[in-house]
Amino acid sequence: AQSVTQLGSHVSVSEGALVLLRCNYSSSVPPYLFWYVQYPNQGLQLLLKYTSAATLVKGINGFEAEFKKSETSFHLTKPSAHMSDAAEYFCAVSSYTGNQFYFGTGTSLTVIP
Amino acid sequence: GAGVSQSPSNKVTEKGKDVELRCDPISGHTALYWYRQSLGQGLEFLIYFQGNSAPDKSGLPSDRFSAERTGGSVSTLTIQRTQQEDSAVYLCASSSQPGTANTGELFFGEGSRLTVL
Repeated sequence: AQSVTQLGSHVSVSEGALVLLRCNYSSSVPPYLFWYVQYPNQGLQLLLKYTSAATLVKGINGFEAEFKKSETSFHLTKPSAHMSDAAEYFCAVSSYTGNQFYFGTGTSLTVIP
Repeated sequence: GAGVSQSPSNKVTEKGKDVELRCDPISGHTALYWYRQSLGQGLEFLIYFQGNSAPDKSGLPSDRFSAERTGGSVSTLTIQRTQQEDSAVYLCASSSQPGTANTGELFFGEGSRLTVL
């Protein structure tokens, strides 16, 4: 069975501060991992994905995530938060066959001016 | 089309009525997914289509929920005898690379917000 756990349903950071959103996965096979972002009243869009190439993955808008097998983690980071980063962030894992995606419960990011 | 299109964007209905939600995936995408997003909850998987067939219907909450896909394109999610707990945003996503080693990503529509009074 595959699943993801996102620690912290709400995270607040000051503008310019480091953003760290946590995601741990549970998978019996090598997973593919994703981070999606959802802005208010919009669908989800892909930030970045890990597909067993480089363990440090760079995405859009300055976000990156590091796959750590020993910790079963795929935390999302951004060195300096911007007001426009305020959104809901979802971590997801898919099977090797790629026909099923499992999402975490999401983390709402607030950026304080 | 350019992206995944869902309609209606908002639907308010009375308890006990039937509703249909439509999803038009990105042209050429063979895989189509329905998810439900309730307030404060993550994404709950409902059903997955590969072409016109549904290999995985395990997420449908009850027999009041059904979905079909025709022509390998448009999909309709039908909820019969709606209940207040069905109120949620129903998200559709499509993908072009299911079942391959280089797994693709999901492209999402903006969702259909269903409110059952």
